[in-house]
Amino acid sequence: QGQLVESGGGVVQPGGSLRLSCVASGFTFSSYGMHWVRQAPGKGLEWVALISYDGRNKYSLDTVKGRFAISRDNSKNTLYLQMNSLGAEDTAVYYCGKDLGYCTSSSCYRDAVDIWGQGTKVTVSS
Amino acid sequence: IEMTQSPSSLSASVGDSVTITCRASQSISTYLNWYQQRPGKAPKFLIYDASTLQTGVPSRFSGSGSGTDFTLTISSLQPEDFATYYCQQSYSTPPLTFGGGTKVEIK
Repeated sequence: QGQLVESGGGVVQPGGSLRLSCVASGFTFSSYGMHWVRQAPGKGLEWVALISYDGRNKYSLDTVKGRFAISRDNSKNTLYLQMNSLGAEDTAVYYCGKDLGYCTSSSCYRDAVDIWGQGTKVTVSS
Repeated sequence: IEMTQSPSSLSASVGDSVTITCRASQSISTYLNWYQQRPGKAPKFLIYDASTLQTGVPSRFSGSGSGTDFTLTISSLQPEDFATYYCQQSYSTPPLTFGGGTKVEIK
């Protein structure tokens, strides 16, 4: 079925940095795109970043471009999110997620998150 | 693409049938997904392609729609269904965009 376990969250001062990690098990990690999605306190879900199965293609939310970097190490079944220049608006629970990446003979279904981690909390505060 | 859900919250009783609406700011064909999030938990993937249930999702959940208007229906609400539900478009990505959520509360 697959499992994802995030780590690396914590309290950081404005302008600081954090690196989140997400370890995958139970599925072939190197075959799927991976996402980061965040949820600010009391708010809805906000997609943050996507990386292709091989790490060659990366996409991110406009408001985090140039500050956040998504990466992966397929040899370690691990996804990362390097977050720099953090601001109060980045305070959230960050979830990693596996892309659905499912194809039939006629269609492919991507850009949905079918497995979610438990989340790691990031608080930006002085 | 902006996704708008209505209502933002609703109250219902166990056994009731409820319908949640999701509207896209432009046509997204059937590239529409639904998630459930229980309080304090990670989201759970329910439906993709507007109406296809993910493996293991109870048949009391159903989705419909195409173009700009979509619905999620839960027939015969169970205690574990009280949660917040989100729609998400996968037609024009990135970015993936979510609706604002609909909280289903116990009456």
